[in-house]
Amino acid sequence: EIVMTQSPATLSVSPGERATLSCRASQSVSSNLAWYQQKPGQAPRLLIYGASTRATGIPARFSGSGSGTEFTLTISSLQSEDFAVYYCQQYNNWPSPVTFGQGTRLEIK
Amino acid sequence: QVTLKESGPVLVKPTETLTLTCTVSGFSLSNARMGVSWIRQPPGKALEWLAHIFSNDEKSYSTSLKSRLTISKDTSKSQVVLTMTNMDPVDTATYYCARIRNSGDLYYFDYWGQGTLVTVSS
Repeated sequence: EIVMTQSPATLSVSPGERATLSCRASQSVSSNLAWYQQKPGQAPRLLIYGASTRATGIPARFSGSGSGTEFTLTISSLQSEDFAVYYCQQYNNWPSPVTFGQGTRLEIK
Repeated sequence: QVTLKESGPVLVKPTETLTLTCTVSGFSLSNARMGVSWIRQPPGKALEWLAHIFSNDEKSYSTSLKSRLTISKDTSKSQVVLTMTNMDPVDTATYYCARIRNSGDLYYFDYWGQGTLVTVSS
C-alpha cells in the first residue's frame, strides 16, 4: 500500500503570506494526486486533482505541482478562510486502494 | 445539483454489524465516469478511505479492512450501501460518502456528503 506523508504537521502563516505544503508518496503515483481542504465540522472539499488542475470554483491562489513522489500545494496569499486542514490523496493504479496523507493544519500566525 | 447523503445508526454495540446507506442525487450510479467511495474520519484524526464501487460494479477495499467490508449499489434507488462487520470502539468515526469522478486517467472525489457520526459503545 502506498503511504502518503505530509509535512509539516502544522504550519503557522500570517494572512497575506504564502503557504507551501508538502506531500510525499512512498512510491511513484505519477500525477495521480489530489488535495482537499477541510474546515472544522465540514466535509473535505476538492481543491486540486491530477496534481495541478484546480477544481471548479477554486481560486487561482491555490496551485499544485509535482509528480512521481513529491508534491506541493501552494497558497499564494493567504485569506482568512484558507486556515484549515489540508489532505493529499493518491489514486494510482486505479482501482487499487486509495490512501490519504495525515494532513497539514494551516493556522494563523 | 449533485448531493450525497449518508444515513444509518448513530450508535452501534461492539461486535455488531454497521450498515450505512449513501443516497445520491443529481447524477446516476450508472454513469460510466462515476462511482462512490466511503471514507471515514475518527474524531480529531485523518481521513481513511474504506471502499469504492464504480458504475460497472467494479469494487475495491481498504487492504486493512477488506475482510470486514462489503460495498454494493442499487442503481434504481440511487443508493450505495456499506456494511462493516464486527464493530469495535476504534471504529468510532464520521463516515462520509463521496462521488468519484473519472476524467481520462484521472480519478478524484469531487462531491462529498455531510458525513454521519457513528459511535461504537456498549
